Parts: sequence; structure tokens; C-alpha cells
Amino acid sequence: GAVVSQHPSRVICKSGTSVKIECRSLDFQATTMFWYRQFPKQSLMLMATSNEGSKATYEQGVEKDKFLINHASLTLSTLTVTSAHPEDSSFYICSAEHIPDRGFTEAFFGQGTRLTVV
Amino acid sequence: KQEVTQIPAALSVPEGENLVLNCSFTDSAIYNLQWFRQDPGKGLTSLLLIQSSQREQTSGRLNASLDKSSGRSTLYIAASQPGDSATYLCAAPNTGNQFYFGTGTSLTVIP
Repeated sequence: GAVVSQHPSRVICKSGTSVKIECRSLDFQATTMFWYRQFPKQSLMLMATSNEGSKATYEQGVEKDKFLINHASLTLSTLTVTSAHPEDSSFYICSAEHIPDRGFTEAFFGQGTRLTVV
Repeated sequence: KQEVTQIPAALSVPEGENLVLNCSFTDSAIYNLQWFRQDPGKGLTSLLLIQSSQREQTSGRLNASLDKSSGRSTLYIAASQPGDSATYLCAAPNTGNQFYFGTGTSLTVIP
């Protein structure tokens, strides 16, 4: 399957600072990428859909000014958590949509980023 | 909005047992149905993907079935092993590949 790389895998930051998480599709171009978060002992929830060259679409309840998404190229989407607070501590994971020349489209997931805000 | 539910929330079985994990979804207009494994503190490992036109998929000791009309999928694990211990998630993406995840089943296989 196609490979999606997410970086960093773990990050600890101080409250009030900003953190950037990168999601890269390594061997395919992805017009659309997705960002999810998972709070402890809960399932993954879609935060936003990132479209190359246009504004991201955020799910209800997700603050777009706090979670800045930039999808400036067909292989890279970034999620920046601005003015992070301890309640933003979570597991963030991205996926990238692969549209092959033939067959079904499929989304592939990155390895996830564990964010801890202290 | 799609809602995905998994039963049971937790399961503990002795090694060697066969087991079934259940997943139900409210909107049958799914693009496909995927089962993932998540180890503690880790990302997702894709186990099986069933296209909406298919009824089942098999990989080794795993078999997943899909019944769109009833909004159900099951994951069958044969001859369970301690290494199978993990949280199993089912997910039903829409045609836009936005995933709606279930609540997960935490499996413990006791040696």
C-alpha cells in the first residue's frame, strides 16, 4: 500500500506555544488529506478535511483558528496547534487519499503524533 | 451523520479461542468498511478492507464480513494468540474518504 509519513511521532510543548505536525504522502500525490484526534480511551474523531490549494473544511466544534491547516502541496499537509493548552493533549493522526489510475480510492494513515502540553 | 458502534467494548479470552467482534453503522451509504488494529500509544494498522460491493475479506486468521443492508460487519479471529491483544477499530468511510470510527473493542488474549 501507499505510505504516509507523519512527523513528529511525539512532542511535548509548553502551554501557550504552537506546535506544527506534518503529514506527507511519500509515494503518491494526495489532493485531499484528513486530520483526526483521539483523546485517551476514546475513538478517533475527524477534525478537518484538508484540500490542496484551498481552505480546509472543519468539523463542527473544531476551532479553525486554533487548529491551522495548510495543504500547500500535493504531498504535504500541516496541522498547527496554536496557543496550545493542556486540554489539547491528544493523539493526532492524518490520512491521505490515494486515487489510483485504476481501482478504488483508498485513504492511508500516518503513524500519529502524541502531543503533550505541559 | 454516520455513527459506528462496536460491541463488546472489551473482551478477554484464553489463547486458542475463536472470537467475533461486532460493528454496526447507521448509514448504509458507505464507500467501504475497514478494520484496524491499534496497539497502546501507537497508530493504526489496517487489517482488512471490504469494498461496499463485497461481502467478506480474509487475511490469514482474520475474516471480515459486511452486510450493508443491516448495517453490520463482523471480524472473526481464529485461534487467538497473545500477540492479537490490542484495540480493534472498525471504520466506515464515506465516498469522500472521511472516516467514521467505532468506539473500539479492547481485546486481551490470555496465554
